[in-house]
Formats: sequence, C-alpha cells, structure tokens
Amino acid sequence: TQLLEQSPQFLSIQEGENLTVYCNSSSVFSSLQWYRQEPGEGPVLLVTVVTGGEVKKLKRLTFQFGDARKDSSLHITAAQPGDTGLYLCAARRLISGYALNFGKGTSLLVTP
Amino acid sequence: EAGVAQSPRYKIIEKRQSVAFWCNPISGHATLYWYQQILGQGPKLLIQFQNNGVVDDSQLPKDRFSAERLKGVDSTLKIQPAKLEDSAVYLCASSTGTGTGELFFGEGSRLTVL
Repeated sequence: TQLLEQSPQFLSIQEGENLTVYCNSSSVFSSLQWYRQEPGEGPVLLVTVVTGGEVKKLKRLTFQFGDARKDSSLHITAAQPGDTGLYLCAARRLISGYALNFGKGTSLLVTP
Repeated sequence: EAGVAQSPRYKIIEKRQSVAFWCNPISGHATLYWYQQILGQGPKLLIQFQNNGVVDDSQLPKDRFSAERLKGVDSTLKIQPAKLEDSAVYLCASSTGTGTGELFFGEGSRLTVL
C-alpha cells in the first residue's frame, strides 16, 4: 500500500528557477523525512520534520511539515545542476510502529 | 567510519534460479532494513530487523523471499525461485534505532532476471 503520494513525478527546469515538490497522504505521521538519491547510489537524508507546521531550511532548500502532519513540501530556490536527483519523502505512521515507508519520488533535472 | 556494505553490486540470473545478497551495516547500528526499488519507483520495505529479531516483514513475499540476520550484525536476503518481476535494486540500510533516526543506505545490489 502506497501511503505517500508525491507530485510532480518528473520535473525538468533550467538553472536559477524555483520549484516545489509535494508529499501528501491521508494518514497522520509521527515524523517525515526527505531523502535525495543519485543514480547508482542509495538515498541520503536531507531533513527530518517532527512537529506539525514545522519549517526547516537547508541552504537553498526549505522543508515544511503540514499542521495536521499528513503532508509536506520541499521548495528549492535558484536550482542548480547539482540539485539533480530523485527526491523521496518517507514517513512512519503514527499508529503502526516504526516501518519507514517511501513515496515514489520526484525526479528532478536541472539543466545549465 | 565505514558505510553500509552490500554485495554483489550487480547480478544477472535466469528466472527460476536463486540469488543471495549480503549486507554489512554500520558498526553499532541495531536496526537493519532491506528495501526493493523497482525502476522509477520509491523503495519498498521488505523486512526490518532490530538486532537479530524481525520487526516488520509484512511486505516480504515469503513464498520466495527469505532474510536472516544471524548474530545481529550482517544480513542476507535470498530469492528462490526468482521471477521476472523481481528485477530491481535491493537496498540495505541501517540505523541506530527505530525512532526518527536517519537511515544510512548502501549502494544497492542491482538484480536482472531474464
């Protein structure tokens, strides 16, 4: 069962543009994580959000956890080619223990 | 500090054959995960171990997949017999616990079933 819906599935933009990707669910989560995966590599953690309404910034990346802890967004300002990759959200459900479930990901391509 | 080690990196087999993947987690990490990632999709959890006990194997196709983590350190994932739809990257990850902690992933083992 896919608990997490990510959109858009694919995104191709030029260097310098801004973008937002979304992670939505009907379930409530105890925490949510964003990972980035490059070809031939495993995912690498970018951020963990725990509190509803929480906003975290990591250089040009801004992460927000929804007030109801059911959704999250990732905004990238002035995208660079080095931002290219697969962005995955992952979450643990509030009532079902510790299994970390991933969305299908957003594949981002930033061209010079 | 050494990362999560996986082998082999690539494996090609014919359907109905068997295959085994090995994972050595980061030293001291109690929790170990096996994920299956089909091309174009996010990782799907197959099994989660806490030390040498199984925490979650609800999505493991137990008629053909098996996994063990003897002595609570390294782990093996076996597929027997393999099907065409098992073609995927098998990712191993480890973490210090089962809370909000970071998962550290290996580079994965890419399986092609012909």
